[in-house]
Amino acid sequence: QVHLEESGGGVVQPGRSLRLSCRASGFTFSRYGMHWVRQAPGKVPEWVAVTGNDGSNTYYADSVKGRFAISRDNANNILYLQMNSLSAEDTAVYYCARQIAATGSSYFDNWGQGALVTVSS
Amino acid sequence: SYVLTQSPSVSVAPGKTAMITCGAYNIGTKSVHWYQQKPGQAPVLVMYYNSDRPLGIPERFSGSNSGNTATLTISRVEAGDEADYYCLVWDSTSHHYIFGTGTKVTVL
Repeated sequence: QVHLEESGGGVVQPGRSLRLSCRASGFTFSRYGMHWVRQAPGKVPEWVAVTGNDGSNTYYADSVKGRFAISRDNANNILYLQMNSLSAEDTAVYYCARQIAATGSSYFDNWGQGALVTVSS
Repeated sequence: SYVLTQSPSVSVAPGKTAMITCGAYNIGTKSVHWYQQKPGQAPVLVMYYNSDRPLGIPERFSGSNSGNTATLTISRVEAGDEADYYCLVWDSTSHHYIFGTGTKVTVL
């Protein structure tokens, strides 16, 4: 049974940094691309970043490019999101999600329960 | 950028049919995936590749995609179907993922 559990959320001041973790279990982590998706309170989900199964081929939403970095530790089944230069607009629940990819499309089949990040002074 | 437009809300009586649309230019040329989200919970995949149902999703859920509109149909609606629904597409050019604007389904 696929299980994804985020951690590392909390309250952080504007301009500071925070690192989220997502511990995966119940599947062969190293075979799957992984994503971060966020959802601001009362808003639509927003895709944030993706990493390929081996940590290569990373892509970012324009809103976080240059500030956020996605990475993974396949030996320990952990996905990370390093978030720098945070602003109030980054306040959201951050979900990690497993990717299913095939020719021509890709989607997320399993999500974690989410970690709340609040950027406030 | 590619924008997926959904009707903000759909109200439906129990036992009736709800149709949730996701509109964009030539969306019929893309694969559309659908998520259900209940308050305080993570989204749950209810349809992938336009019309495939994940294990555990009732047959009452079906999907289609043609032209400029993708549709998620919920037949014989139940109270438990009340939720927000989002469509999702992958943009192969930018490698970005785009969510629809969301539809709140209310069961009367």
